[in-house]
Amino acid sequence: GAVVSQHPSRVICKSGTSVKIECRSLDFQATTMFWYRQFPKQSLMLMATSNEGSKATYEQGVEKDKFLINHASLTLSTLTVTSAHPEDSSFYICSARGVTGSYGYTFGSGTRLTVV
Amino acid sequence: DAKTTQPPSMDCAEGRAANLPCNHSTISGNEYVYWYRQIHSQGPQYIIHGLKNNETNEMASLIITEDRKSSTLILPHATLRDTAVYYCIVRVSNTGNQFYFGTGTSLTVIP
Repeated sequence: GAVVSQHPSRVICKSGTSVKIECRSLDFQATTMFWYRQFPKQSLMLMATSNEGSKATYEQGVEKDKFLINHASLTLSTLTVTSAHPEDSSFYICSARGVTGSYGYTFGSGTRLTVV
Repeated sequence: DAKTTQPPSMDCAEGRAANLPCNHSTISGNEYVYWYRQIHSQGPQYIIHGLKNNETNEMASLIITEDRKSSTLILPHATLRDTAVYYCIVRVSNTGNQFYFGTGTSLTVIP
């Protein structure tokens, strides 16, 4: 079945630094990838949608200059949290939709970001 | 996409059927009902989806009412590993549309 790999699974960074999170579709080509954020005991919140080769579309209230998304190939999307602050500490999850438009989307295992 | 309403939490005895309800009274004709679950600190896992007919797969059954305003996810023999948050989502299928998650139901399977 479709597999989405997310790396790293956990990362701790210092306040003010940038962190890159990778999302890879391992056995299918992902034309569209989605990035979510989840705070403790809350639901997943969609941050942005990225289509391969084009700019990402951000949800209202999400700072595009802070959360840089690159979807340069059909198997890789990256989310970079720039100038991270403690309030950016969260669980970040990516999801990918295949070229053939599978009925469901496959989610990565998530990245736990802690900013200290 | 139509909004869904789910109870915040439910308990179920191990080995019994878990019936998780979802209300989606504003669902439109071309919107499907999807169910995902999220085990603690993992990404969501697809369970099942349907349009208007009842559906069954190796994980669960989905019962959709005739007016499509509500549905029930059934885990026939709940195990401890089924403890998770279950999300009911309605959206148009086979498009680039995103999944917007509601608050879900936290299911606890009790030994």
